[in-house]
Amino acid sequence: RKEVEQDPGPFNVPEGATVAFNCTYSNSASQSFFWYRQDCRKEPKLLMSVYSSGNEDGRFTAQLNRASQYISLLIRDSKLSDSATYLCVVSLSGGYNKLIFGAGTRLAVHP
Amino acid sequence: ETGVTQTPRHLVMGMTNKKSLKCEQHLGHNAMYWYKQSAKKPLELMFVYNFKEQTENNSVPSRFSPECPNSSHLFLHLHTLQPEDSALYLCASSQASSYQETQYFGPGTRLLVL
Repeated sequence: RKEVEQDPGPFNVPEGATVAFNCTYSNSASQSFFWYRQDCRKEPKLLMSVYSSGNEDGRFTAQLNRASQYISLLIRDSKLSDSATYLCVVSLSGGYNKLIFGAGTRLAVHP
Repeated sequence: ETGVTQTPRHLVMGMTNKKSLKCEQHLGHNAMYWYKQSAKKPLELMFVYNFKEQTENNSVPSRFSPECPNSSHLFLHLHTLQPEDSALYLCASSQASSYQETQYFGPGTRLLVL
């Protein structure tokens, strides 16, 4: 079983749509959770951290369910500029930030 | 953004060549990382350096040899690579003081082994 599993997509949605990505992780000792965004042929960049209580940053909402080992990202009112690959990332314990990446979910927003 | 820089950006090498990838971070961080990203696969952590000391070697073949002379610079020395080593090699840095710290990535070196 993969350590971090995501639907690879692609998700093709029109501008203005709401889209949700899901992610599951296998290691119950995972400490921290993140969504990174990676544009085509660019490096990953942190989109947002994910907290147990759920958190929102503008059009983006992240949720964490530790019992089910499940993370989600909701994007409302999609923009063309949201087109990218979204990486689900978990951090294990160990004294430094050892990140385990999912393979990513590709989003294509069209006019 | 120039927080983490990597050179070269593109590299083509034969299987008998020796080359080095360079990473430099200008963020005052104390941890640096090498990742490999192959097509359709998740990023794979290769090496971690904390305060210049290697703290992780994720079962990486010996044809990849990291070097961290100080907390701002990280190298990846390559020799006798295989075609399957062709990938995007990403460097990252972070302030390794808590589990919530962010890793900042460089633009990567796209490597092709012929």
